[in-house]
Amino acid sequence: GESVGLHLPTLSVQEGDNSIINCAYSNSASDYFIWYKQESGKGPQFIIDIRSNMDKRQGQRVTVLLNKTVKHLSLQIAATQPGDSAVYFCAEKVNGNNRLAFGKGNQVVVIP
Amino acid sequence: GAVVSQHPSRVICKSGTSVKIECRSLDFQATTMFWYRQFPKKSLMLMATSNEGSKATYEQGVEKDKFLINHASLTLSTLTVTSAHPEDSSFYICSARDPSVSYNEQFFGPGTRLTVL
Repeated sequence: GESVGLHLPTLSVQEGDNSIINCAYSNSASDYFIWYKQESGKGPQFIIDIRSNMDKRQGQRVTVLLNKTVKHLSLQIAATQPGDSAVYFCAEKVNGNNRLAFGKGNQVVVIP
Repeated sequence: GAVVSQHPSRVICKSGTSVKIECRSLDFQATTMFWYRQFPKKSLMLMATSNEGSKATYEQGVEKDKFLINHASLTLSTLTVTSAHPEDSSFYICSARDPSVSYNEQFFGPGTRLTVL
């Protein structure tokens, strides 16, 4: 299930099931989006990116969907594994501007 | 792939002392580096943008005299937390921009955990 509140929104998922993580971005001028995975005590790790001229992009076990109309981004992880347990952040950027703006993050807990 | 290192990975200091954190791009030249701060269970907040050979650009609310940034070479930026206090305890993360890469050009370091007693 999913819980919100004082802690990070947490998605608990059974090993082998699919995970969907959502992100609402803020800047309608953003034209490039990235999903990062952050394990405890480590820096962010690039997972997948998508440009605004696309609405879907697939990688290995991951898919990113972009809905510019409602400024929404999602990350789908297929066949979730224990190693996928981490915090996932979306980030947005306007091309030509170096600055990345990070979303709030979602904790994924994989139950073996 | 591009590798960014940070040193130290963990530091504990007494209140009132200054702490320097290094960020290095190991296999590319970074004209721009970024410093972020992350509190527990929170997102990364950009503190400043560091440009080689010029003054850093600080985000609103970040004290430039408190967080001194020096980007003296194309592979090294340093963040010095001056007169550190317990509220400065945080996870500090740098990233470096590889200008030869389009779009996904920021590569992140592993972070530095600062604890101020």
